[in-house]
Amino acid sequence: GEDVEQSLFLSVREGDSSVINCTYTDSSSTYLYWYKQEPGAGLQLLTYIFSNMDMKQDQRLTVLLNKKDKHLSLRIADTQTGDSAIYFCAESKAAGNKLTFGGGTRVLVKP
Amino acid sequence: DAEITQSPRHKITETGRQVTLACHQTWNHNNMFWYRQDLGHGLRLIHYSYGVHDTNKGEVSDGYSVSRSNTEDLPLTLESAASSQTSVYFCASSESQGPVDGYTFGSGTRLTVV
Repeated sequence: GEDVEQSLFLSVREGDSSVINCTYTDSSSTYLYWYKQEPGAGLQLLTYIFSNMDMKQDQRLTVLLNKKDKHLSLRIADTQTGDSAIYFCAESKAAGNKLTFGGGTRVLVKP
Repeated sequence: DAEITQSPRHKITETGRQVTLACHQTWNHNNMFWYRQDLGHGLRLIHYSYGVHDTNKGEVSDGYSVSRSNTEDLPLTLESAASSQTSVYFCASSESQGPVDGYTFGSGTRLTVV
C-alpha cells in the first residue's frame, strides 16, 4: 500500500537553512510534491519533482530525491518568519491522479 | 476566473444527523477529491471521482458517501455524523493527465460534531 511519512516538528532560527524530510514506500510513485499550509489557510503548492530527477532548485527551495531509498527532502535557504507553516509531502502515480499525503511537518522559525 | 468553492465554511451538527458538504468547481476538471485533515494525520483521502458517475473509496471512506452527477460538483455526505468525523474537510480537483502542478484545492470546511 501507499505510505508517506514525515517528522512532526522542526524548529529553526531565522536566516538558517531548514531541511524537511519525507519517506515513501511505493516505488511506482511518479510525481512528488511539497505543499505549504499557513495557519487557518488552504494548501499552496511549493514545488514538485519527477521521480526520474534527483534534484530541483527553485529560488530558495531545493528538492532532493533519493529514489533508491525512497527519500525526499525540501531545503529552504535563509529561512524567514513567513516560512513558519505546516509542510506536506505528497505523491501521485500519474499527473492529475489522487494524491497521497504525509502527516505534515510543522516548521517554527524563531527570530 | 475558474475556481473551486466549498460550502459551508463552518458547520456544527449533532451526532446522528445527516450532513452534506458541497464542493463546486468551474475548472471543468474530470477529477475531484475529498480529504479530511486531522492533527498528526495530514490529509487523508475519503472519496474521489475520475469523471461523471465514477466514484471510488479512499483510505477513510467509512461513514461517508459521494455522488458525481455532473462535472462541476462532488457533494460529500456523512450518513450519520459521529464525533470522530469532527475535522477540516478539503475538496480538490485536477485534470486527467493534465499539468503535474494542476491540482486546485478549496478553502476547507470545518465540521464539528457535538
